[in-house]
Amino acid sequence: DAKTTQPTSMDCAEGRAANLPCNHSTISGNEYVYWYRQIHSQGPQYIIHGLKNNETNEMASLIITEDRKSSTLILPHATLRDTAVYYCIVKGNTGFQKLVFGTGTRLLVSP
Amino acid sequence: DTGVSQDPRHKITKRGQNVTFRCDPISEHNRLYWYRQTLGQGPEFLTYFQNEAQLEKSRLLSDRFSAERPKGSFSTLEIQRTEQGDSAMYLCASSPTPGQPNEKLFFGSGTQLSVL
Repeated sequence: DAKTTQPTSMDCAEGRAANLPCNHSTISGNEYVYWYRQIHSQGPQYIIHGLKNNETNEMASLIITEDRKSSTLILPHATLRDTAVYYCIVKGNTGFQKLVFGTGTRLLVSP
Repeated sequence: DTGVSQDPRHKITKRGQNVTFRCDPISEHNRLYWYRQTLGQGPEFLTYFQNEAQLEKSRLLSDRFSAERPKGSFSTLEIQRTEQGDSAMYLCASSPTPGQPNEKLFFGSGTQLSVL
């Protein structure tokens, strides 16, 4: 079962920042937070991951609270092509740990 | 294109028929995964391979389902005696770094199966 809670849907204006929240209150010390997104008719695409420090890459920023019970994915300047379902996933790092997807957040970026 | 390739993109079949899907992972990726996704839901894990060895299978993978990766390269997923409930998107993914905490999965575009 998914260990995260996300809003079902969110809207964002093109050019504005999209802030997607995720609750993972039962996360354990060795579990990472991963974000993937799925554009319509495509497979999921990796965005970013983190353990406890904030992370940034060319796609997004990940802000993890100090207690690690929640995080926020930030798309700094959303474009129409960022319209997708965004999945927040927690995954351990010992042995084989499969990605368990929830239902994600459907982000709609409008002009 | 050097991404994960899946074939066919779409498959329509009649109930009771057998179907087989193929996945070509990114070259030299030794982990390969199969997921299934129904409308409005996130992908569900089915099985994964480390090279040619199938190391884990979900309880979702009934006896009618079989997956192979004979030479540790491409993989096939076969569904025998298809049922309407098998209608879904079947996704394949591969990863290059087994056992690492920062393992990233690269997904193909999937095979959409419709069972009539």
